[in-house]
Amino acid sequence: RKEVEQDPGPFNVPEGATVAFNCTYSNSASQSFFWYRQDCRKEPKLLMSVYSSGNEDGRFTAQLNRASQYISLLIRDSKLSDSATYLCAVKRYSSASKIIFGSGTRLSIRP
Amino acid sequence: GAGVSQSPSNKVTEKGKDVELRCDPISGHTALYWYRQRLGQGLEFLIYFQGNSAPDKSGLPSDRFSAERTGGSVSTLTIQRTQQEDSAVYLCASSRGGSGTETQYFGPGTRLLVL
Repeated sequence: RKEVEQDPGPFNVPEGATVAFNCTYSNSASQSFFWYRQDCRKEPKLLMSVYSSGNEDGRFTAQLNRASQYISLLIRDSKLSDSATYLCAVKRYSSASKIIFGSGTRLSIRP
Repeated sequence: GAGVSQSPSNKVTEKGKDVELRCDPISGHTALYWYRQRLGQGLEFLIYFQGNSAPDKSGLPSDRFSAERTGGSVSTLTIQRTQQEDSAVYLCASSRGGSGTETQYFGPGTRLLVL
């Protein structure tokens, strides 16, 4: 089993819709969580960190569920420009620990 | 300020040749990662450098792959006797390092094509 797993999608939703996807992690020692966005043929860029209490940045909301070991990303009022691959990443609370990425979820917003 | 830079941006090589890929992290970042991303796939962890600690090489797929980081800054990923399955984008990322929340900043990648 992979340490970080995501539904690869693609999720194909109309503009203006709300879409959500999850990312599960297997190691309970994971302490830091992130969502990255990757556009086609570009490098990943940080979208938002995920805090224990959940956090919101405009149309984007990230949640952490430690009991079930998953993080989620909710996008409200989706825009065409939201079309991308969304990667989740987890890190154990140690400077010696690497960050592990999921394989990404592809999102396509249609007009 | 300058971000993470990688060179070359594209590399075409023949099977069996050696290649060297370079990464210049953000100044002051102590953590440096190499990833491989095949077309349409996720990020595959290769190696992680953190300060003066021994690197985590657990992701290197074979002994043809090696990496070094000189002076805690620039890193070079070397692939010996390249194979066609090595064709991918090789991404480098750096972060401030240390424990806890840290943002990774990625370079634009090197697109490697092995013929």
